[in-house]
This record gives sequence, C-alpha cells and structure tokens, in this order.
Amino acid sequence: KQEVTQIPAALSVPEGENLVLNCSFTDSAIYNLQWFRQDPGKGLTSLLLIQSSQREQTSGRLNASLDKSSGRSTLYIAASQPGDSATYLCAIPTTDSWGKLQFGAGTQVVVTP
Amino acid sequence: EAGVAQSPRYKIIEKRQSVAFWCNPISGHATLYWYQQILGQGPKLLIQFQNNGVVDDSQLPKDRFSAERLKGVDSTLKIQPAKLEDSAVYLCASSFGGRVGGELFFGEGSRLTVL
Repeated sequence: KQEVTQIPAALSVPEGENLVLNCSFTDSAIYNLQWFRQDPGKGLTSLLLIQSSQREQTSGRLNASLDKSSGRSTLYIAASQPGDSATYLCAIPTTDSWGKLQFGAGTQVVVTP
Repeated sequence: EAGVAQSPRYKIIEKRQSVAFWCNPISGHATLYWYQQILGQGPKLLIQFQNNGVVDDSQLPKDRFSAERLKGVDSTLKIQPAKLEDSAVYLCASSFGGRVGGELFFGEGSRLTVL
C-alpha cells in the first residue's frame, strides 16, 4: 500500500528566502504526483501535476521535481512572500483505483514579513 | 470556466442529527470524489463515482454515510445520524477521469461541526 509522507509538518521562513518542501512515497510505480495548496478554511488548489515520465515541472516561482527511484518529490518556491503562507500537500494516485489520491498530511508554511 | 461548487460552506448540528452536502463538479468531468479532511490531516477518500456509478466506497461508513450521483452530474453526501467524530471538512473534487485519473480540482469544502 502506498504511503505518502511530508516532513517537516511545519516550516517558518523570512520573506525572500526560498522554500523547499519534501514529499516521500513508498511505491515508486506511480502515474503522476500532484502538489496542492490549502489556505485556512478553504479547499485545495492544484499547483502542479508532474507525470511519471517527467523529472520536473515549473509554473512561475514554483518548481516541482520528481525522483521515482528514490521515492521523492520536492516543491521549490523561489523568493517566498507572505502570501505563500498556507499548507502544501502532495498526493499520488493509487494504482488500485481510478485516480483516487493518497495524500500526505501536509507541510504548514509561514512566511514572515 | 466555473470550478467545483459546494454547499453549504458551514454547518453546525448536534450529534444524532442529519446533514446533507451538495456538489456540482466541473462541466464534462466524469469522475467525482468526496473526501473527508480532519483537522491537521490530509484528505481521506470516502467515495468515488465514475459518471453515476460507484467506483470505490471502501472507506465510507455505510451505517451512517450515503452518497448518490443521479444523472452523472451533481452529487449529494448525507450523514445520518451524525457523531462527534464526523466533525471535519467535506471536500468534493472532480476530474476528467479514466484509469489514471488525471488532475483533480477541488471545491471550497463544507465544514461540519457536530456538537
């Protein structure tokens, strides 16, 4: 059974620093990996979806890398801003069901001005 | 393009009462998911529909939870009777579907508090 882990659970950085968020998974036979952002009291916003054949995916200040062999994905956020404060979750489709996602518990990020 | 719509956004009930949540997915999305998210945890799948058929409901507490997706479009999730541990955010998501699934898009969620 796929297990998804995100460490650390919480992270605080000063504005302007680069953010590095980690996601690890136990089964390397994945179709893709999706990163989400969740603001307090809100739903999940899709940030990036990286296919299993890709090594990385970029969108603006966000860059996600994927290393299936080591069971890791990293989300980089360049030049962090207070508006980046949120919880970031990674998720992987399970191979036993159509698109069902297995989520990590998330990393709560606070960017201080 | 309109996103996934959910209502109500907030609901407070007493234990043993019933509650219903509604979801309208993105137009054209065949797959609809209901997730439960308890504070501090990642979302957990309750039920997954492909068009109007159930694909996976293995983690749905069927003695108290029910869901339907009539006509393969919008969906309703019901809890009856509610327990204290049902306090959570109920998230609806949709995707184009298929064996791999594709990118999921989530609604704002419905926050349930059971007193």
